[in-house]
This record gives sequence, structure tokens and C-alpha cells, in this order.
Amino acid sequence: GENVEQHPSTLSVQEGDSAVIKCTYSDSASNYFPWYKQELGKGPQLIIDIRSNVGEKKDQRIAVTLNKTAKHFSLHITETQPEDSAVYFCAAQNNAGNMLTFGGGTRLMVKP
Amino acid sequence: DAGITQSPRHKVTETGTPVTLRCHQTENHRYMYWYRQDPGHGLRLIHYSYGVKDTDKGEVSDGYSVSRSKTEDFLLTLESATSSQTSVYFCAISEWQQAYEQYFGPGTRLTVT
Repeated sequence: GENVEQHPSTLSVQEGDSAVIKCTYSDSASNYFPWYKQELGKGPQLIIDIRSNVGEKKDQRIAVTLNKTAKHFSLHITETQPEDSAVYFCAAQNNAGNMLTFGGGTRLMVKP
Repeated sequence: DAGITQSPRHKVTETGTPVTLRCHQTENHRYMYWYRQDPGHGLRLIHYSYGVKDTDKGEVSDGYSVSRSKTEDFLLTLESATSSQTSVYFCAISEWQQAYEQYFGPGTRLTVT
């Protein structure tokens, strides 16, 4: 089945700096890649996603890039703010299209 | 949380007892999912449903069963709870066929002693 690796597991940045989280996947047929943000004590919240026919997608301060050849995708957060502090998860949709496989998560800490 | 509620939000139970967790949605979405979240493992799919009375297994289904008798409710049952099932359980819903845009509930923290 699909395997998703996420790095780093923890990331600490200064407010205003950029943060980058990277994920790799194993199933070349996967075609949907969402990113979730999870705050303490809450459920994951979908923040951005990308489909395999697109190489990059941007929404204000966050962007996602996808390299299908290398089978990796990344989340970029610019001008980080303390409220960006959370755990971020990447995921990949399996070939059959009926389930998501998640990475292990990245704890992002933005220092004021 | 996209019109999703989970109950109970917290539960402590003893090994060997049955436990049922409930997920309720008000979005009339067709697809519903149960995940468990453990440190270092992200979220892992337990079971999912693609319609009333239509369910299938996920990655970590052993020891769990599900039922869906109404569109809005999806139940997860641990027939005989074990300590390895101590976890945070999340329900998610999706409107589209291919798991696009899943929205998660607030979670249930289950402790098996």
C-alpha cells in the first residue's frame, strides 16, 4: 500500500521566517495530496490541497508544490506568525481513490 | 468542525469491556471514516463507509467493527477493548467519491486501563 514519509518531525522558526515541510510518497498512481493543520485538542483542519495535474498551488501565505517524478510534495509557509504553531500533516490518496494515507506529522513552533 | 460531532469526547474503560463511539454529521455527506491517532503514526484509517450499510476495512481494522444505519451516524465498536486501543479517535466525512476533502470531527480520547 501507500507509504508517506514526512520531515522534519519538529521545526522551530522565528516569527516572520519561512517554514518548509516535506513529504514523500510511494504509490506513483496517487493523485491527491492534502495538508492538514491540527491545533492542540482539536481535529485536523484542511488548509490546502493539490491534485496531480498541478505543480504548485498558493493561498495567501501558504503554498504547496508537487514533484510527481520524484514523488514528493512540500508545504511552504511564509511570514510565519505565532498562530501558525501547530502540528501539520501531509497525506496522499491511494490508487483506488478511497482512502488517505497520512505522514507522521510535523510540530511547527513559531517563536515571537 | 464542519457539522460533525463525536461522543463521548473522553472515555476511560477497562480491558475486555465493549466500547462504542459515535460520529454524527449534519452535512448529509455520503462518505464517513474512522481514524485513530497515535504519536509518530499520524492518522491511520480503521474503517470507512460509502453509504448506509456499506462499509469497508482500512489499514488498522483488527479489533474494530462499524455500523451505519443512517446517513448521519457512523458507529465504531471495540468488541473487547485492549490497552493497545488507547488512542484518540477521529471521525471524518467526505462528499466526493474519491476521498477528496475530508473534514474531521473534534475527536474522542479513549483510555483502556
